[in-house]
Amino acid sequence: DAKTTQPPSMDCAEGRAANLPCNHSTISGNEYVYWYRQIHSQGPQYIIHGLKNNETNEMASLIITEDRKSSTLILPHATLRDTAVYYCIVNGGADGLTFGKGTHLIIQP
Amino acid sequence: GAVVSQHPSWVICKSGTSVKIECRSLDFQATTMFWYRQFPKQSLMLMATSNEGSKATYEQGVEKDKFLINHASLTLSTLTVTSAHPEDSSFYICSAPYAGGSYEQYFGPGTRLTVT
Repeated sequence: DAKTTQPPSMDCAEGRAANLPCNHSTISGNEYVYWYRQIHSQGPQYIIHGLKNNETNEMASLIITEDRKSSTLILPHATLRDTAVYYCIVNGGADGLTFGKGTHLIIQP
Repeated sequence: GAVVSQHPSWVICKSGTSVKIECRSLDFQATTMFWYRQFPKQSLMLMATSNEGSKATYEQGVEKDKFLINHASLTLSTLTVTSAHPEDSSFYICSAPYAGGSYEQYFGPGTRLTVT
């Protein structure tokens, strides 16, 4: 699986959009970009995934660059409950996931 | 989204005893499930892949005789920590890929194991 690079931490004001970047320059053509988050002492939660096109669901939007070497997860209106560690993971299918250190997003009131 | 449950949510056991953790996919079938371990302030680490109808595959450095995995049905995988020691104390989490989509994975809530 391709390696990903994320900033270790970010702050965002409550009610503002949180934009979390991820670099995955070695991604292969058949690999998806997945985003998960882990709130303290809980199991990770699936957020969104994409292959080439931008995606949006009820939780977030995913913007993937045309060359697929980077992506951005957007939480449109961050709340305090969005404080968590966010993981960007590249995976080609039904394989076990390799977790990096992720980005610790802290939503400030 | 799909739901995965784990039982128990936390367990305390004495050194030398064995502990079984169950992982269930509640609303979908999973021929494959994954087991992870997470130590404090660290990321999840993949331990093993549980395969329905065949043997589990273990990641390098994970003792298969210590962490016994049984994928009893399309909705149940169990992890048994045998002869537990204090260094096995950790947060154990399972996941299952949802085959109906693009294999996004759904995680259980985790099991906190403390070995005294």
